[in-house]
Amino acid sequence: NAGVTQTPKFQVLKTGQSMTLQCAQDMNHEYMSWYRQDPGMGLRLIHYSVGAGITDQGEVPNGYNVSRSTTEDFPLRLLSAAPSQTSVYFCASSYSFRAGNTIYFGEGSWLTVV
Amino acid sequence: EDKVVQSPLSLVVHEGDTVTLNCSYEVTNFRSLLWYKQEKKAPTFLFMLTSSGIEKKSGRLSSILDKKELFSILNITATQTGDSAIYLCAGFKGSEKLVFGKGTKLTVNP
Repeated sequence: NAGVTQTPKFQVLKTGQSMTLQCAQDMNHEYMSWYRQDPGMGLRLIHYSVGAGITDQGEVPNGYNVSRSTTEDFPLRLLSAAPSQTSVYFCASSYSFRAGNTIYFGEGSWLTVV
Repeated sequence: EDKVVQSPLSLVVHEGDTVTLNCSYEVTNFRSLLWYKQEKKAPTFLFMLTSSGIEKKSGRLSSILDKKELFSILNITATQTGDSAIYLCAGFKGSEKLVFGKGTKLTVNP
């Protein structure tokens, strides 16, 4: 049982490049989400999904795309990287908050845009 | 706009001290409040509080929620250097969203 797996752990991008952060969970969780964490800002929700084929925007969605073609995977795409997207990205999953279950976080992906 | 405010933002104590971390919230469709501990990497779950006035405990950590005054506290007694971390508070609202505060950075010196 691997839990929530994020790749890559570290990445340096040039401004304007695109890339995909991968997230996979093996717990059959319905709910998956992406957060970014900046110094002094806490975690901010980028996009989330309540099941395969269903995604929605969070607090800071601009510049990011997501899709949820399977229950297990929830990739985050940066369309044209900007220095403002330098951050630590966390993927998270949960069976369902309504059932009182908690949320599990991946180990994080450190992204630097130069 | 939803917001979760934690205080203090930073705290330095000595081993053995007791600390209280504060979290106030204004979250529409509020369902519950969660506390996390974050060391080097991913946040790890501490507590989920749904009902007002019921204390949850885990070892030296305890937490309580006041839904009338819209706040929660996290207490840590007999602090140890291993308690040094960022403590995050988050409000869970309807539509499966968590709203996080900025965190309290706790440093416990030997």
